[in-house]
Amino acid sequence: GAVVSQHPSRVICKSGTSVKIECRSLDFQATTMFWYRQFPKQSLMLMATSNEGSKATYEQGVEKDKFLINHASLTLSTLTVTSAHPEDSSFYICSALFGTANTEAFFGQGTRLTVV
Amino acid sequence: AQSVTQLDSHVSVSEGTPVLLRCNYSSSYSPSLFWYVQHPNKGLQLLLKYTSAATLVKGINGFEAEFKKSETSFHLTKPSAHMSDAAEYFCVVTPKTSYDKVIFGPGTSLSVIP
Repeated sequence: GAVVSQHPSRVICKSGTSVKIECRSLDFQATTMFWYRQFPKQSLMLMATSNEGSKATYEQGVEKDKFLINHASLTLSTLTVTSAHPEDSSFYICSALFGTANTEAFFGQGTRLTVV
Repeated sequence: AQSVTQLDSHVSVSEGTPVLLRCNYSSSYSPSLFWYVQHPNKGLQLLLKYTSAATLVKGINGFEAEFKKSETSFHLTKPSAHMSDAAEYFCVVTPKTSYDKVIFGPGTSLSVIP
């Protein structure tokens, strides 16, 4: 099946710094990717929809200036957490849609961000 | 619009007994449905998927799920629970087109008692 690679798997950063998370579709082109955040013991919450070549669509309550999303190519979307704070510590997961008639979603392995 | 409901936030079973994790969905059209498992501090792993072929879907590690359109359900089952099955399970619905969003259920935490 299709593979989505997310990097890094874990990152620890200092408060005030920025962190970039990459999501790559390895063997298919993904015009649409999604970014999720998971709080401890909760389900994944959709943050934004990333469309290649256009601005991302953010869900209500998600700060677009805080969580910068760039989808510059058909195989790469990036999420940058700017000026990170401890409350941004979380598990972030991306997914990419593959196919049209029978669309499937493939997920990255996730990135655990810890802000100290 | 699409939505996913997982009726049980937590399920506890004894090792060797059957597992049933319930999932109901609503969708304005036939969706693709998935079950994912997440072990503590790990990423998501695909258990099985339904994409409009056979309604009884077999997945990894002995898990199965049956798509019942009349009941709008996609319950996950396993005949005999193993200790390693203890994890969080998510029912997921995805669109047939690329314009809607992937929707996660709230998750069911499965505990397996020795």
